[in-house]
Amino acid sequence: AQTVTQSQPEMSVQEAETVTLSCTYDTSENNYYLFWYKQPPSRQMILVIRQEAYKQQNATENRFSVNFQKAAKSFSLKISDSQLGDTAMYFCAFMKRNTGNQFYFGTGTSLTVIP
Amino acid sequence: GAVVSQHPSWVICKSGTSVKIECRSLDFQATTMFWYRQFPKQSLMLMATSNEGSKATYEQGVEKDKFLINHASLTLSTLTVTSAHPEDSSFYICSARVPGLTEAFFGQGTRLTVV
Repeated sequence: AQTVTQSQPEMSVQEAETVTLSCTYDTSENNYYLFWYKQPPSRQMILVIRQEAYKQQNATENRFSVNFQKAAKSFSLKISDSQLGDTAMYFCAFMKRNTGNQFYFGTGTSLTVIP
Repeated sequence: GAVVSQHPSWVICKSGTSVKIECRSLDFQATTMFWYRQFPKQSLMLMATSNEGSKATYEQGVEKDKFLINHASLTLSTLTVTSAHPEDSSFYICSARVPGLTEAFFGQGTRLTVV
């Protein structure tokens, strides 16, 4: 079974500052995807960024980047130049490649951006 | 991005009644959809995988006779909570994957309150 752990239930950051959210996972699989999803107060799940495990290069999407350490099974999210609209729950998720396509979510980190 | 529409957004029902939640893929065909349950400030827990034209696959501990899933077409999956009880009150979210893409797209969620 796959498990995804987010050890930071709550975090806060000053507007315009940088924050890093942690995520570790446990799997025996070699081919998989990792994701960060954002859930704002509207409860709509929004994809922030994804990483393919076979790619060594860390994914980047504008202000969002990841630090993917496959051997350590670590997948942290860095948000640069934090904005008020970044306030949300952030979920790390794991998906095995080519089988079932189920997502396994971490417990989430509630991020508050302080003006 | 792809759009997944969930209806209704919220529903209140009396104990003992049944309620149906719809999940539609608006601009793509989804052979597989997923149903999640989310308690307040908690993660998304996969309930079942809905397969078009065949029986759903339920996660361990999920009562298939209580949570009926029907995936009758490539764009519609329904979740029916039968004989609802107050402990069934929760936020239910569906998702689907676009063929060829890795990420999942989520519906807006349905808040069910059983009184």
